[in-house]
Amino acid sequence: DTVLTQSPALAVSPGERVSISCRASEGVNSYMHWYQQKPGQQPKLLIYKASNLASGVPARFSGSGSGTDFTLTIDPVEADDTATYFCQQSWNDPYTFGAGTKLELK
Amino acid sequence: QVQLTESGPGLVHPSETLSLTCTVSGFSLTGYSVYWVRQPSGKGLEWMGRMRYNGDTSYNSALKSRLSISRDTSKNQVFLKMNSLQTDDTGTYYCTRARYTTDFDYWGQGVMVTVSS
Repeated sequence: DTVLTQSPALAVSPGERVSISCRASEGVNSYMHWYQQKPGQQPKLLIYKASNLASGVPARFSGSGSGTDFTLTIDPVEADDTATYFCQQSWNDPYTFGAGTKLELK
Repeated sequence: QVQLTESGPGLVHPSETLSLTCTVSGFSLTGYSVYWVRQPSGKGLEWMGRMRYNGDTSYNSALKSRLSISRDTSKNQVFLKMNSLQTDDTGTYYCTRARYTTDFDYWGQGVMVTVSS
């Protein structure tokens, strides 16, 4: 199975820029997607196919990468962005998720 | 609008079978695939299996021997059955819709399942 590796946690101040990385154990083309999950809620799609903004998602969120290395960027970070961010690949079966990066605001 | 709603028992005893239903609205099960994803408390997301738009199913190899997914298109429902439950099957179970880009654009609110005697 394709393993997706994410940093466990990050802490940033409001107004700053933050980049969350996801590294795949094998190539996934551009089929990497990003989700935001707040406590007690279901995941919410932010970015699909590496760099496409999902409907209704603020333009502060952006994605980049291809192959094995991907990045979700939030610029500027707002207080409401406190959440866990998951990457997910859909190039190799079975589809897999990263363990999540918990974003905390200072 | 698009909605997915999971339903099922909140408590299952060890070794018993879990049965969950995902009822969808706002789209057709013959046009979109529906996946089951679970999340142990405080942990990450695990893809369990899928019901494709054409009726084909696929399962996570780690769960394949215990898992079955089916559907009733007339009722707009997708079903999950998993047997021989153990305490580490405790968590929140989600159904989610996959688009042609194979990302998950809509999710149910999830159903919390506790495996305990």
